[in-house]
Amino acid sequence: AQSVTQLDSQVPVFEEAPVELRCNYSSSVSVYLFWYVQYPNQGLQLLLKYLSGSTLVKGINGFEAEFNKSQTSFHLRKPSVHISDTAEYFCAVGGGATNKLIFGTGTLLAVQP
Amino acid sequence: DTAVSQTPKYLVTQMGNDKSIKCEQNLGHDTMYWYKQDSKKFLKIMFSYNNKELIINETVPNRFSPKSPDKAHLNLHINSLELGDSAVYFCASAVGGPPDTQYFGPGTRLTVL
Repeated sequence: AQSVTQLDSQVPVFEEAPVELRCNYSSSVSVYLFWYVQYPNQGLQLLLKYLSGSTLVKGINGFEAEFNKSQTSFHLRKPSVHISDTAEYFCAVGGGATNKLIFGTGTLLAVQP
Repeated sequence: DTAVSQTPKYLVTQMGNDKSIKCEQNLGHDTMYWYKQDSKKFLKIMFSYNNKELIINETVPNRFSPKSPDKAHLNLHINSLELGDSAVYFCASAVGGPPDTQYFGPGTRLTVL
């Protein structure tokens, strides 16, 4: 069985500060990990994904994430956030025969001026 | 051109009614999905079709019936709507099996009164 835990439901941060959104996973099959972003009243947009290879993955909008197999984590980072980064961020694990995504509960990144 | 589109965007209806939500993708993908996002933003897979064949059917009341007339369309019909069906429903599509990225539609906000 697969599961995803996002420990922080909300992360407030000031503009231009660095941020880390935490994600831990469990899986008994090959792991594919994703971060999606959901802006208010919109659908989900892929930020980045880890399939294999380099454990540091770079995505859109200056975000990056690091896959850590020993700690079963896939934390999302950005060195300097903008007001426009305010959104809900979802970590997800995929894989298995049907490729269904198991989502975490989401983290609201609230960037303040 | 919108890659994954859903109609309607908003749906307000009374308990006991039957309603449908339509999804279309113009990406040429073989696999389509329905997800439900509840009021706490939790996202959960409901169904998936691959080339018009049902491959994922999670624990969903049988009042919900997906229909895929062709691989570019996946519609969701809901009978005898209940208050608890109020949610945002997202359609997604992917090229095929894991680890293909899923592309999400803008969502349909269903409100049952």
